[in-house]
This record gives sequence, C-alpha cells and structure tokens, in this order.
Amino acid sequence: DQQVKQNSPSLSVQEGRISILNCDYTNSMFDYFLWYKKYPAEGPTFLISISSIKDKNEDGRFTVFLNKSAKHLSLHIVPSQPGDSAVYFCAASEDSGAGSYQLTFGKGTKLSVIP
Amino acid sequence: DTAVSQTPKYLVTQMGNDKSIKCEQNLGHDTMYWYKQDSKKFLKIMFSYNNKELIINETVPNRFSPKSPDKAHLNLHINSLELGDSAVYFCASSQGLRELAKNIQYFGAGTRLSVL
Repeated sequence: DQQVKQNSPSLSVQEGRISILNCDYTNSMFDYFLWYKKYPAEGPTFLISISSIKDKNEDGRFTVFLNKSAKHLSLHIVPSQPGDSAVYFCAASEDSGAGSYQLTFGKGTKLSVIP
Repeated sequence: DTAVSQTPKYLVTQMGNDKSIKCEQNLGHDTMYWYKQDSKKFLKIMFSYNNKELIINETVPNRFSPKSPDKAHLNLHINSLELGDSAVYFCASSQGLRELAKNIQYFGAGTRLSVL
C-alpha cells in the first residue's frame, strides 16, 4: 500500500523551462513533506521541505506547493538546468515518537533536463 | 568531509553468510536510520535509533540486527543472507528533536549488497 505516490516515473524538460514534479499522499497523519534529489551511486540529498501548516515554500529556483485538501504536493524548478537531471523523491514525515521521524518515500521521478 | 559515511560501498557475498555494514555520522545528530532500496526503487525504513535506543523497527526479518555502540554509529548486521536481501542499503541521520524542521534526514552514499 503506497502512502506516497509519484505517478510519473520520468520527465523530460528543455533547459530554461519549468519542471513540475508531482506527488500524492494518502496518510492524513503526515505533517511534514520533503523533496530529495538523488544522483546515481549517491545517497538522496535534501532539497526543500514544507510543513503542513504552509502551502508554499520557496528556495531559489525551487518551490514546493502543498494542497492539503487534495493531499497533493508539487516541486517546481525554474529555470531548469542540465545539472538538475537526477531522480527526485517525494517524502512525507510523521512523528514516530522519542525524537524519531519516519520518512515514507515515493518511488521517484527521473528528471532529464535537455540542453 | 563526509557527513554520513557507510562502509563498504559494495558487498558481494554468498547466500548463508553473515555480513555487516557500518555507518558513522559526524553531524552530532541524535537519531540514525537504516533504509532499504529494493529492485523496484522503493526506499523503505528498516530501523531508527535515537541516542542508542531503538525507536522504529519495521517488519524486518530478525536476521537483520542493528547495533548502535554510540550515537554517532549505527551498524547493520545481517545473518544467513538470502537472495532477496540483495538491495542498496542507506544509512541516514537527523537531529531528532521534536520540531518538525529538525526531521530532515541526511543520507550516506549507500551500500550495494549482492547475494549470490
């Protein structure tokens, strides 16, 4: 039972254009959402996050939007650059107690930015 | 200077063997995790330790045993390895405080385990 879904396994975007990566979740107990970026043979790297009390968070070229009623979040990258080509994981967090937060990951979307 | 380091990066072994993967973090974090990324590319939590105490233990065979000698280290021991254990294992750490923004997890580069 996938609680976090990224329905697009891949996405190709022209350099300079906007990349939009989507993520849906089912568990209403999730209270924090994160996007990770992963290059081959490396671990996931934290990119940007958003608390469930907000609907938007921006960091440079990266913006994450959260629609709680739809249980949907998206990551916008603008302008897209070739170095953004990677697998992007959406993750949702819930408090597991005693200072530990359990992350549930989506399956990832492979973004290719074409020069 | 690597924040979360795992060794070895690659591990090839025969079925039935016992092996260990080591993880160390130099971020001063209180909480450490082990994740498994299977052939379908899902990253799934296996264990979580906070200050050397087990917090999360997902449905993982008891052949897998995490060991935390101190809060900077969380090692993963696997006994009687099976073909299905082949995967990439990621270690991660976080500050582990009761503030939402503190639950950002930092990952190691992964250990690719191949069981033959």
